[in-house]
Amino acid sequence: AQKITQTQPGMFVQEKEAVTLDCTYDTSDPSYGLFWYKQPSSGEMIFLIYQGSYDQQNATEGRYSLNFQKARKSANLVISASQLGDSAMYFCAMREGAGGTSYGKLTFGQGTILTVHP
Amino acid sequence: GAVVSQHPSRVICKSGTSVKIECRSLDFQATTMFWYRQFPKQSLMLMATSNEGSKATYEQGVEKDKFLINHASLTLSTLTVTSAHPEDSSFYICSARPPQGGKNTDTQYFGPGTRLTVL
Repeated sequence: AQKITQTQPGMFVQEKEAVTLDCTYDTSDPSYGLFWYKQPSSGEMIFLIYQGSYDQQNATEGRYSLNFQKARKSANLVISASQLGDSAMYFCAMREGAGGTSYGKLTFGQGTILTVHP
Repeated sequence: GAVVSQHPSRVICKSGTSVKIECRSLDFQATTMFWYRQFPKQSLMLMATSNEGSKATYEQGVEKDKFLINHASLTLSTLTVTSAHPEDSSFYICSARPPQGGKNTDTQYFGPGTRLTVL
């Protein structure tokens, strides 16, 4: 079974509007972390935002916010006021567990290609 | 955020040769580094976890004799693709995690990636 699912292969948004990228996850571990990364065409992975499973509030970083619905196991990324430079592939990822030598390894979703139109 | 470098950024080699890719954490010490592989328009797949001073832990299906990993210091991990073949052509990305205990220790920082083409 997929641990991280991104159901939107592609999304389009008009410049200056908000867009939500979906992510659902599956884990039985009570301690986990959820991440969103942006990958432009250059290939680099840019860290956007992080949400810990025990965090009470939704994470926010500038124009990025994470809509964390723990009971639904969803961690959607909201980008407000989209810019042309936001066009890229976006990955949701999960880190399971609380320690150990493999602590920190990430499982990635399939990715969503976001295109921002002028 | 923290900086992770990778070298080379791009390499083309002949089938049968070996290729070494370096991953360095530039402004923090990384006891753990990770190596991922990404095919075009696909997701990142974890290949192995590299721990400083110990053997790497490989994911199921990844040949450890094919993909040699050495984490010789707290700032350097290397991935060597031995006897490369065209099917090894891919985008290889490393990531590094700062030591546990700090504010953002759960965050991983990625290198810019290495595009390997095997002819």
